[in-house]
Amino acid sequence: QVQLVQSGAEVKKPGASVKVSCKASGYTFIGYYMHWVRQAPGQGLEWMGQINPNSGGTNYAQKFQGRVTMTRDTSISTAYMELSRLRSDDTAVYYCAKVLYGDYGGDYWGQGTLVTVSS
Amino acid sequence: QSALTQPASVSGSPGQSITISCTGTSSDVGGYKYVSWYQQHPGKAPKLMIYDVSNRPSGVSNRFSGSKSGNTASLTISGLQAEDEADYYCSSYTSSTTLVVFGGGTKLTVL
Repeated sequence: QVQLVQSGAEVKKPGASVKVSCKASGYTFIGYYMHWVRQAPGQGLEWMGQINPNSGGTNYAQKFQGRVTMTRDTSISTAYMELSRLRSDDTAVYYCAKVLYGDYGGDYWGQGTLVTVSS
Repeated sequence: QSALTQPASVSGSPGQSITISCTGTSSDVGGYKYVSWYQQHPGKAPKLMIYDVSNRPSGVSNRFSGSKSGNTASLTISGLQAEDEADYYCSSYTSSTTLVVFGGGTKLTVL
């Protein structure tokens, strides 16, 4: 069965960086795009970007351009999302989501990783 | 302010039907088939309920259906059940640099 298992919660200071991992299993990792979506406390979902695990090609939401980097390690079927220059309003749960082939809907999601930014 | 507009809340009684709207523009909802709907229970990850406007993933109840007219997509839930109480989000592909946009979410209350 498809599973996406994310790394554990993080507490970071303003200005620092955080790197969240998403380990995939149960399907061909390089065959499907991976999206990253975040959700601030009590707020809605926000799309951050996507990575093509096969080529490593990425597309980032304009809001995060210059601050986010998405990478992957195909040898261990793991995707990564790194967000730099953290601010307090980056406090959120960060999700990875496997995307339907040729589509933009996320059919399997990780359990979420809470990133808290606080001085 | 979200790119797609959803009502903040809707409610219905068990057995009734409700519809949640999702309004965008011709650059997103109105221009492409890539409209999805997600259900999210408190503290849980979102679950895909509808993709490509009206397609249901395997395992999703046929009480959930989707449609689109112009720049507005809709999610209809028929035969409401207590377990349907959750937040619902629409999303769409968009022609901007930000490829995917979400609605602000709708809280469904089953009375």
